[in-house]
Amino acid sequence: NAGVTQTPKFRILKIGQSMTLQCAQDMNHNYMYWYRQDPGMGLKLIYYSVGAGITDKGEVPNGYNVSRSTTEDFPLRLELAAPSQTSVYFCASSYGGQKNIQYFGAGTRLSVL
Amino acid sequence: ILNVEQSPQSLHVQEGDSTNFTCSFPSSNFYALHWYRWETAKSPEALFVMTLNGDEKKKGRISATLNTKEGYSYLYIKGSQPEDSATYLCAYRRNNNDMRFGAGTRLTVKP
Repeated sequence: NAGVTQTPKFRILKIGQSMTLQCAQDMNHNYMYWYRQDPGMGLKLIYYSVGAGITDKGEVPNGYNVSRSTTEDFPLRLELAAPSQTSVYFCASSYGGQKNIQYFGAGTRLSVL
Repeated sequence: ILNVEQSPQSLHVQEGDSTNFTCSFPSSNFYALHWYRWETAKSPEALFVMTLNGDEKKKGRISATLNTKEGYSYLYIKGSQPEDSATYLCAYRRNNNDMRFGAGTRLTVKP
């Protein structure tokens, strides 16, 4: 099993450009999550999904969109990149439930210049 | 506002020292408390999940306790080794879908 796979690992965007961060998991997890991690801060939840076709906002959803057409994939879309979106993005997945351990991808480091 | 506070922010210890750090969270609407270990250039990895007041978990030299009534959890490392150097994250959950992470405690163990 590959676990949670994120692509790309690094990306530099210009202000106003768009891009999609890819996330795929092969553990048949229902729950998937997108976080961003800024220096000195904890992981902040952007969006999450409890199953294919269902998504919901987390703490910091503004400027992002997600979709969940399959159980395996949960892409994160930035439509008009802004410098404030410079961050490291982590995707995670889990079975859900009270003892819900999240498994994380390796992260995507994004710079918006 | 759901504040999850971890202290200290960073800690430097000598090999062989025992150490502990704290995670504070809201004492109302408790669902679960997680500890993760996050090594530099890697992904966070789950250490423990605790759901009941008074829970204690142990994994090798690392253990954790939980007090949901007063809203804190302690993580202990006995006889720290250089390979324990990492950032330790706690995450508080008030329901099945919501997980709020603290900023982490960065531990450096010097040989």
